[in-house]
Amino acid sequence: EIVLTQSPATLSFSPGERATLSCRASQSVSSSLAWYQQKPGQAPRLLIYDASNRATGIPARFSGSGSGTDFILTISSLEPEDFAIYYCQQRFNWPQTFGQGTKVEIK
Amino acid sequence: EVQLVESGGDLVQPGGSLRLSCAASGFTFSSYSMSWVRQAPGRGLEWVANIKPDGSEKFYVDSVKGRFTISRDNAKNSLYLQMNDLRAEDRAVYYCARNLRGFDCWGQGTLVTVSS
Repeated sequence: EIVLTQSPATLSFSPGERATLSCRASQSVSSSLAWYQQKPGQAPRLLIYDASNRATGIPARFSGSGSGTDFILTISSLEPEDFAIYYCQQRFNWPQTFGQGTKVEIK
Repeated sequence: EVQLVESGGDLVQPGGSLRLSCAASGFTFSSYSMSWVRQAPGRGLEWVANIKPDGSEKFYVDSVKGRFTISRDNAKNSLYLQMNDLRAEDRAVYYCARNLRGFDCWGQGTLVTVSS
C-alpha cells in the first residue's frame, strides 16, 4: 500500500497570503495524484487531478505540481472560503489511498 | 446536473448487515468507474471499494475484503455497497464518488453507525 504523508497537519495563514501544502508518497505514483478540499459538513471537492490539472470550475489561484514522490498544492492568494482541510490522493495502484490531510486555518 | 444521492445508512449492531445505495443522474453512469469512500467522525478519508463501468472488476481495501461487496445496476443508474459483519470501526459517513482521474463527483454521504 502506498502511504501518502501530508505535513504539517495544520498551517496558519492570513487572507491574501500564499499557501504551499506538501504531499509525499512512500513510492513513486508517477503523476497519478489528486488534491481535494473539504469544508465542515460537506463532501470533498476535487481541485487538482494528475498532479497539475485543475478540475472543472476550480479557480486559477489553485495549482499543483510534482511527480514521482513529492507533490505541492499552491494557493496563490488565500480567499476566506479557502480555509478548509486539504487531502491528497493517489490512483497509481490499488488500494487508492489518501493522505491524512492538512488543515489550513486563519491566523 | 451531475448528481449522486446515497441512502441506506442506519444504526446497526456489531455483526449486523446493511446495504447502501447511490442513485446517479446527469451523466452516463455506465461509462464510469464508481467508488465508495468513507470518513469516520473527525477523521480523514478512506477509499473502500471500486467497480469498473461494466462491473467486471472490483477492488477493495483490505479491511473490508470478505465482508463488503460493491455492485452496480447500470439499467437503474445505481451503485450499491452490501456490508456484512459490521464492526465498530466501520462507523463512518459513506460517500459514493465517480472515479475518473480522481473522484470528480461526490454524493452528500450517508451515516453508518455500528453500536450495541
